[in-house]
Amino acid sequence: AQSVTQLDSQVPVFEEAPVELRCNYSSSVSVYLFWYVQYPNQGLQLLLKYLSGSTLVKGINGFEAEFNKSQTSFHLRKPSVHISDTAEYFCAVRNPTGRRALTFGSGTRLQVQP
Amino acid sequence: IAGITQAPTSQILAAGRRMTLRCTQDMRHNAMYWYRQDLGLGLRLIHYSNTAGTTGKGEVPDGYSVSRANTDDFPLTLASAVPSQTSVYFCASSVREDTEAFFGQGTRLTVV
Repeated sequence: AQSVTQLDSQVPVFEEAPVELRCNYSSSVSVYLFWYVQYPNQGLQLLLKYLSGSTLVKGINGFEAEFNKSQTSFHLRKPSVHISDTAEYFCAVRNPTGRRALTFGSGTRLQVQP
Repeated sequence: IAGITQAPTSQILAAGRRMTLRCTQDMRHNAMYWYRQDLGLGLRLIHYSNTAGTTGKGEVPDGYSVSRANTDDFPLTLASAVPSQTSVYFCASSVREDTEAFFGQGTRLTVV
């Protein structure tokens, strides 16, 4: 079985500051990794994904994430956040074999303050 | 605009009543999913379907059933609603079971 841990339930940060949202996973097999963003009262939107290849993945809205196999982590980063980045962020993993549905973490609420 | 349509957007339901949440996609995706979102728990998989005619159980399937008669539709039925089924329900689809999922806007269900 696979699982995802998002270590921070809330991350407050000032506008234009850098931010890192942490994600660790556990799985007995290789996985695909994803970050989704959810704005208030909306569905989830894909930010970025790691399937294979370069461990540094760039996504939309200036976000990037780095896959670290030895630490089983996939932390999300942005060098300078905006008020509009305030949202809930979910890390997810997918097993390339078997059932293959996404397994989500519990989410991190990013609150960008002026 | 192509995507996933969920209906209704929100619903208040009396306990013991039967309810079907509708989900339709026009992207011709093979795989479809139902998740429920609860505060502090993230999204948990209820049921999934890797292709039309097949379904499978997720993490929290009890009290829910699904069908996949065709590629586009994946309804979720609560046979006899209970208050613990109060949640936001998201339908999602993906081209194949190993690609990223696209999500609908959600259905907010309150069981009283």
